[in-house]
Amino acid sequence: AQSVTQPDIHITVSEGASLELRCNYSYGATPYLFWYVQSPGQGLQLLLKYFSGDTLVQGIKGFEAEFKRSQSSFNLRKPSVHWSDAAEYFCAVGAKNAGNMLTFGGGTRLMVKP
Amino acid sequence: GAVVSQHPSWVICKSGTSVKIECRSLDFQATTMFWYRQFPKQSLMLMATSNEGSKATYEQGVEKDKFLINHASLTLSTLTVTSAHPEDSSFYICSARDPTGFSYEQYFGPGTRLTVT
Repeated sequence: AQSVTQPDIHITVSEGASLELRCNYSYGATPYLFWYVQSPGQGLQLLLKYFSGDTLVQGIKGFEAEFKRSQSSFNLRKPSVHWSDAAEYFCAVGAKNAGNMLTFGGGTRLMVKP
Repeated sequence: GAVVSQHPSWVICKSGTSVKIECRSLDFQATTMFWYRQFPKQSLMLMATSNEGSKATYEQGVEKDKFLINHASLTLSTLTVTSAHPEDSSFYICSARDPTGFSYEQYFGPGTRLTVT
């Protein structure tokens, strides 16, 4: 079965600083990978996804993520964080043999200092 | 496009009563919908997969008699929490898969906060 690990439960960065949120997955074949963002009391918004092709994926709100097969990672990055980016971020993996279901990581809470 | 709504956004009910949560795909037909539960400051846990016109598939440990799921049409799935207890208080999120799109992408509703007193 597939699994996702987000090693950092909380991250605090200063506004304007760069950001990298880590995501490691476990799956036997090429996974389908997603990053979602959740504001307090809200549902999930898709930031970006990877399923094939270019391993550097561009998403909304200035986010990007890079798929590194050798490291089983799909880290999320943003060059300059804005205060509005403060939220919970979830990495998820989808697998063909799992009936379209997604497995989510534990989430990383991002706080932005002014 | 690909908007999913949930109703209600929050609900308070008394212990022992039942409450129904609706999940609707507004601009596409969803053959498959998913129900998740999220505890405070935790990740989403898949409860069940709902397929239109057939019985839902529940994840291990989820009581199917307590969490009744009905997917009677291509745009509506409902989750009924029967005989609710305080431990059922949680944030419930649904998602829907657009069969015409990328098959592993799910569109999420805004969630429903259930509080059982």
